[in-house]
Parts: sequence; structure tokens; C-alpha cells
Amino acid sequence: SQQGEEDPQALSIQEGENATMNCSYKTSINNLQWYRQNSGRGLVHLILIRSNEREKHSGRLRVTLDTSKKSSSLLITASRAADTASYFCATDAASARQLTFGSGTQLTVLP
Amino acid sequence: ETGVTQTPRHLVMGMTNKKSLKCEQHLGHNAMYWYKQSAKKPLELMFVYSLEERVENNSVPSRFSPERPNSSHLFLHLHTLQPEDSALYLCASSQDTANEKLFFGSGTQLSVL
Repeated sequence: SQQGEEDPQALSIQEGENATMNCSYKTSINNLQWYRQNSGRGLVHLILIRSNEREKHSGRLRVTLDTSKKSSSLLITASRAADTASYFCATDAASARQLTFGSGTQLTVLP
Repeated sequence: ETGVTQTPRHLVMGMTNKKSLKCEQHLGHNAMYWYKQSAKKPLELMFVYSLEERVENNSVPSRFSPERPNSSHLFLHLHTLQPEDSALYLCASSQDTANEKLFFGSGTQLSVL
């Protein structure tokens, strides 16, 4: 089974609302990263949080990490139509040599 | 722009064709990667290159052959592909293989007929 799994698979909200996406993983990690992908394009790195950190902010993004629950959340505040994209978490497991990506959350922000 | 350029953006090929995907980065990164993205599935790492070595995923069929002729370029040579190989192929680079902050190209959408 995959290391990182996002929840929900799809999320639809109105512009101006906040969007929260969750990621759960199974094994100990060095870091967890969030990426964004617009349709038919490559992934863009958003934020990295290390295993000894609990929260990070970048603009309208807020990421939390709970290593005891092996979970992370990505919060996008005051969403915009341009935030419509797929969002992926990627884990750098302590035992692995590679990043492992989840299947993503498809976020739709309605104008 | 992420600094990673992939060509072509779209490719249609028959099962008997031979083609190559090209990736170029001028970020000075040591590590380069090939990923496969199929619909409704997580990204699958295919190959990793550091400057010194190639790390292969053992589950990648031999009909996919990577090549890194220099530090800036990465190729994926394709031959006798199957329809199930149709997917978006993404190239990425990072400063090193420490699995931090990958920069992705826009991908090549491959269709195998």
C-alpha cells in the first residue's frame, strides 16, 4: 500500500472559503512535502515540513504535521479560483531512498 | 517556469516505434528523475540519477531505457511500448538525492496505439 494518502479525493468550495486537505502515511519520515499540479502540467513544490516541526506557513498556506498520528494537513485560506488544482503530499520515509506521492486531492474553487 | 523543460509535450506512437523523451534543466541540480503519472494512480518513480550513478526501480520494464549524457540532460528512450504505457511522463530535478524540493517539467503526454 502507498505511503501517503490524501483525503478527500475531491473537494469543491466557493471562492473565499478555506480548503483543508489531509495526508496520512504509514512509516517514520524525514520530511513531508506538498505539491500542486494544474491540469496537464507538472507538479510545483509548495512547502516542506520536517519531522521535528509541527507547523509551517507560506502566504495563504498553512501545513501541520502530527508525527504521533502520522498525518499532515494543508490549509489554503481565502481560496481563489486560481487555486483550482490537484494537491499531492509526498513523504520522504526514513527507510526509503525516494519520495512517495499520494493519489492527490482535486480541489475545485468556484467563482 | 520551473527551470525544467520537457519535449515533446505530446507524443503518439505505435507499439513498434522507437522514440525518445527529452528533459533539460539549467538549475545546476545533481539529481534528475523520471516519473510516470497514470490516471487515478500515485506518481510512480521510474529512475533516479545522481551525478555518479543511476538508481533503477526494479519494476520498470526494459522497454524503458534512461540516459543522462551530461549534467543538464536526461532522456527516456522508448521501444516496443504497450497501450498500458500511455501516461504523462514527468521529469524532475533536485539539488541532490536527499529528497527535498523537486522541480518538475510540464511532462510529455504519451499515447501508445
